[in-house]
Amino acid sequence: DIQMTQSPSSLSASVGDRVTITCQASQDTNNNLNWYQQKPGKAPKLLIYDASNLETGVPSRFSGSGSGRDFTFTISSLQPEDIATYYCQQYDNLPWKFGQGTKVDIK
Amino acid sequence: EVQLVESGGGWVEPGGSLRLSCAASGFTFSSYEMNWVRQAPGKGLEWLSCINSRGTTTYYADSVKGRFTISRDNANNSVYLQMSSLRAEDTAFYYCARDLVGAVFDLWGQGTLVTVSS
Repeated sequence: DIQMTQSPSSLSASVGDRVTITCQASQDTNNNLNWYQQKPGKAPKLLIYDASNLETGVPSRFSGSGSGRDFTFTISSLQPEDIATYYCQQYDNLPWKFGQGTKVDIK
Repeated sequence: EVQLVESGGGWVEPGGSLRLSCAASGFTFSSYEMNWVRQAPGKGLEWLSCINSRGTTTYYADSVKGRFTISRDNANNSVYLQMSSLRAEDTAFYYCARDLVGAVFDLWGQGTLVTVSS
């Protein structure tokens, strides 16, 4: 199984700050990596697929990068509505695995 | 409206069974693979199972293999999760998710809560 390690587990930042979350896979995922946002009490929402492709309708302040085993998710300018937990997910090999999540809140 | 709506959650005793349903609308259900993902209260996401568009191929996480069965009815635009031999650690919100391509989950239901307790 491919294991996903996300960091940090939580962070606090000010409105307008640049926020970065990392996700490392235990082996090469061939860029088969997604990022999801989950707001409290809600279902997850797809933000980024194939490591760097922005899902339709998702604001451009969200971006993804990386390759192989190491990936980065960035919010270029944190907004109050971005308060959520963010998860990476690999889909290179079954079983599909999620990272443990990064909780983002406002300082 | 394009949506997925889960139902069938509730309270069940350890060792019991429950069948979850997920009703799809607003898109051509028979064209998509479907998945079940769960989330224990306050915890992260765990993929459980997937089924191909025709219902002929299924996969399971080791944690539920042999206890859970995924199925679908394309005539009724629904996917199901039959859960048996339930344990306390199966307590979670259960989500169905549409697979855009190769396990990119682009549409999720609102979730249904399953509580396993005596």
